[in-house]
Amino acid sequence: AQSVTQPDIHITVSEGASLELRCNYSYGATPYLFWYVQSPGQGLQLLLKYFSGDTLVQGIKGFEAEFKRSQSSFNLRKPSVHWSDAAEYFCAVGGGATNKLIFGTGTLLAVQP
Amino acid sequence: NAGVTQTPKFQVLKTGQSMTLQCAQDMNHEYMSWYRQDPGMGLRLIHYSVGAGITDQGEVPNGYNVSRSTTEDFPLRLLSAAPSQTSVYFCASSYSSGGGYNEQFFGPGTRLTVL
Repeated sequence: AQSVTQPDIHITVSEGASLELRCNYSYGATPYLFWYVQSPGQGLQLLLKYFSGDTLVQGIKGFEAEFKRSQSSFNLRKPSVHWSDAAEYFCAVGGGATNKLIFGTGTLLAVQP
Repeated sequence: NAGVTQTPKFQVLKTGQSMTLQCAQDMNHEYMSWYRQDPGMGLRLIHYSVGAGITDQGEVPNGYNVSRSTTEDFPLRLLSAAPSQTSVYFCASSYSSGGGYNEQFFGPGTRLTVL
């Protein structure tokens, strides 16, 4: 079955510290992978996406993610977190003729001053 | 371009009432979809459409109807609202997959409460 797992429900980091949010997927075909961010009361904003090619992808706001096929993972990273990064982060996988997206349950990031 | 727009932003219904959540896009996207977001469950696909006149069910379609008479609009109808349908609803659109994948663009959401 197709699925996305985000094992960390809630993470707290100090401002300036590094961040890694985990994402594992199960998908039968070539996966297209995404990270979205949602600020409180807002819609979803695309941070980055992986379709093919270089397995390290750069996104907006200083985020990057690495696709590891052998581990079925697509972890999101940022070297230095800012207070404005506090939000909920969703990993998603899609593909195939129907263009459907399957989302993980999200990781809520809190940033301590 | 306005992108993907949704109305209303907030809605309160009583159990058994019906209503339609509106979604429109001005990007000439073939693909449109509806998701609901519930705490701890991420976003789950309700219905989707790959073009005008073509719709299909997603993961959680029960209690919802859709139709797609134009490329621009994809309304979601709640036939008889239930408290379990209290949620935040997001509409999304993209170009058709064409065998690959195209980025989906999300609307701002509609927060629905059913009493």
